[in-house]
This record gives sequence, C-alpha cells and structure tokens, in this order.
Amino acid sequence: GQQVMQIPQYQHVQEGEDFTTYCNSSTTLSNIQWYKQRPGGHPVFLIQLVKSGEVKKQKRLTFQFGEAKKNSSLHITATQTTDVGTYFCAGPPISSGSARQLTFGSGTQLTVLP
Amino acid sequence: DSGVTQTPKHLITATGQRVTLRCSPRSGDLSVYWYQQSLDQGLQFLIQYYNGEERAKGNILERFSAQQFPDLHSELNLSSLELGDSALYFCASSELRSTNEKLFFGSGTQLSVL
Repeated sequence: GQQVMQIPQYQHVQEGEDFTTYCNSSTTLSNIQWYKQRPGGHPVFLIQLVKSGEVKKQKRLTFQFGEAKKNSSLHITATQTTDVGTYFCAGPPISSGSARQLTFGSGTQLTVLP
Repeated sequence: DSGVTQTPKHLITATGQRVTLRCSPRSGDLSVYWYQQSLDQGLQFLIQYYNGEERAKGNILERFSAQQFPDLHSELNLSSLELGDSALYFCASSELRSTNEKLFFGSGTQLSVL
C-alpha cells in the first residue's frame, strides 16, 4: 500500500533559525496537504498543493510540491516559538479513485528553543 | 474551533471491555474519517464513511467497527480492548464534493486501557 515518509522525525532549532521538513510518497499523489498539530492539540489544515512543481507561501512558511508529485517540502524561515508542533504531510494517491484515502506522513516534531 | 465534535474527551477502561466513541461532523460535511494516533506515532487511517456508506478502509482491526447514521454523526466501536489500543482517536470530516479533501479534525478522544 501507499507509504508516506517524512524526515527528519525530530528537529530542535534555536529561535530565529530556519527549518525544513521533507515528505516522500511511494506513489504519485493527486495533491499534497500539510497539517500542523500543536502539543496536546489536533491536526489543523495549513495548505494544499495540487500542481506539479507548485510553490505556495504563507508568511514565513514556504510549501513546495515536487515535479513528479511524489514529494513535498515545508520550509519555515526564522522560526518562532509559536511554530512548535508536529507537521504532517498527507495526500491521496492519484489512482485511488473516489475513495481518496488520505494517508498521513509520519510527521516531523519541531521544537524551538528560545 | 473546527466544528467537529468528539465525545468523550477522555475514556479509561479495562482490558476486554467495549467502548463507543462519538463524532459529529461539521455542518454540511458528508464524509467522516477515523484516525488512530499512538504515542510518538503518526496518524493511522482506520475508516471513512460518506453519507452513511463505508467509502474506504485502512488498518482497522476486526475488533473495531464504525458506522455513520442518517444524521451524519458517526460512532467508532472498539471491543475486546487490549492495552495496545490505548491511543488518541481522532475523527475528521470533509465535504468530499470535489478533489479538495481538506480535513477538519475534532479534538480527539484519549482512550486509556488499563
């Protein structure tokens, strides 16, 4: 079945440093979504990318979808303590038809040291 | 507030018991998903319902079952509970009217099996 891997699993950064998490799927995705889960909270949708090679920005966050639609990245510039949490990528395989099962990556847990 | 309501928030029970987790989706959402999140684990997809019908099945154990009722709320039934079933169970909902399957998560039910 489809597997979605994320690296790194954990990342500690000093406040103000940049952070990047990478997401790789074993199958081609119809789209890629990113979610953030704060400690003790629930996943919250951040963004969706649909087109091959698409890049989207949200303030200090930059999201990229690979040309082959099998990988993605999230880059945070100048991290702040409010960025703390686990970042998940998720995507339905392009071949899943109407089922559109959303498989989540393993997540990257970001800790920002003040 | 995502608009997705899950009850109860916490559940403590013993091995061998049966519990029912409840989820009310956002107003207008026809699709409900159940995910399991164990300690330091990602989000494991269990099952999806759309407008009362099972749409997709993930790694759901035979001891687990779910259903979606005419009013679109959903219940996840866990029986013959084992210690390893202790986890955070999330319900999520989406419109599923287009290729955009953005999920809205509830705050989860923390299940502790003692």
